[in-house]
Amino acid sequence: KNQVEQSPQSLIILEGKNCTLQCNYTVSPFSNLRWYKQDTGRGPVSLTIMTFSENTKSNGRYTATLDADTKQSSLHITASQLSDSASYICVVSATAGKSTFGDGTTLTVKP
Amino acid sequence: DAGVTQSPTHLIKTRGQQVTLRCSPKSGHDTVSWYQQALGQGPQFIFQYYEEEERQRGNFPDRFSGHQFPNYSSELNVNALLLGDSALYLCASSYGPGTSLHNEQFFGPGTRLTVL
Repeated sequence: KNQVEQSPQSLIILEGKNCTLQCNYTVSPFSNLRWYKQDTGRGPVSLTIMTFSENTKSNGRYTATLDADTKQSSLHITASQLSDSASYICVVSATAGKSTFGDGTTLTVKP
Repeated sequence: DAGVTQSPTHLIKTRGQQVTLRCSPKSGHDTVSWYQQALGQGPQFIFQYYEEEERQRGNFPDRFSGHQFPNYSSELNVNALLLGDSALYLCASSYGPGTSLHNEQFFGPGTRLTVL
């Protein structure tokens, strides 16, 4: 069964600090992995997308990594801001056209 | 470009009632997918419409049905509402029904459904 597990479930950090969110998956055959940011009560917004051949992708202060061998991905946020407070969702797609969503990590950035 | 739009933004219904949610895809997109997101969980795939037909379906009962119109907009219908149907319903549009880089999904703001 295709699964996506994210950790931690929630995280609280101080403004300006860095943090790393984890995503482990068992989706096969692998097509791509996306990280989304979802503000409370809003729809998810894409941050990065990576294919099998990519092991890192940056979008401003967000950097995603992918290890296709261990089936792990991470999202690193640098110099956090209050506006980074949101849920971060990892989505892994199989080549068969199905996507599996993780339950997300809820990040709270405090001043 | 208005992006993906959904209506209404909020809705309150009672058990046993029926509800219809609407979605207009991003300009140039022809595929619409619907998701249910319970509080504190990730979105769960309901179904996907392409060329006015249901192409894929998640593990949801027949009470959940949909439709896609010739202009690519879509409706989600839920019959015989249960308390457990309370959730944020998300619509996502894409160009084509696949999951490759070229089929990136763009999400709407969602409709918050509360069943009392």
